[in-house]
Amino acid sequence: EVQLVESGGGLVQPGGSLRLSCAASGFTFRSYYMSWVRQPPGKGLEWVANINQDGSDKYYAASVKGRFTISRDNAKNSLYLEMNSLRAEDTAVYYCTRMFYYFDSWGQGTLVTVSS
Amino acid sequence: EIVLTQSPDFQSVTPKEKVTITCRASQSIGNGLHWYQQKPDQSPKLLIKYASQSISGVPSRFSGSGSGTDFTLTINSLEAEDAAVYYCHQSSSLPVTFGGGTKVEIK
Repeated sequence: EVQLVESGGGLVQPGGSLRLSCAASGFTFRSYYMSWVRQPPGKGLEWVANINQDGSDKYYAASVKGRFTISRDNAKNSLYLEMNSLRAEDTAVYYCTRMFYYFDSWGQGTLVTVSS
Repeated sequence: EIVLTQSPDFQSVTPKEKVTITCRASQSIGNGLHWYQQKPDQSPKLLIKYASQSISGVPSRFSGSGSGTDFTLTINSLEAEDAAVYYCHQSSSLPVTFGGGTKVEIK
């Protein structure tokens, strides 16, 4: 069974940093594209970033480019999202997802709240 | 960026009724359109891929159709457990984008 477990969310002040992690199990992690998708409270879904199987290709939404960095460690079956210069509008539940051209597996999400 | 417009935003439906949700893309996306269901306090779940392809484990009352710019998700004979928000998503070009969602309420 595919399992994706996010961690690292919490309350952070505007301008601060946070690192999210996603532990993957139940599938061959190194064989799949992975993504982060976020959802502000009470709102819809927004794609954040993609990374290919070996980490050599990364793509970002315009709203986070230059502030967020996606990475992975295939030896640890883990996906990461380094978030810097956080803004109030980054407040959301962040989901780790396995990706083909569609998102076929989702974690339970981790809440990031940016507030003073 | 490709904009996906879902309609309606909200639908209140009686059990066993048929539900139709539409998703219109701002430019042609072929069949690169996927549908998700999100129940309250849960993560989204993939329902339909590539506009009309079924997903293992998803009840057969869920079906999708369309290509190009106009797509439809149909729920035949709605059940109480189908109360959720439904999202379309396009993977035809980056950035991938989602529709705004359609909330289905059970009367």
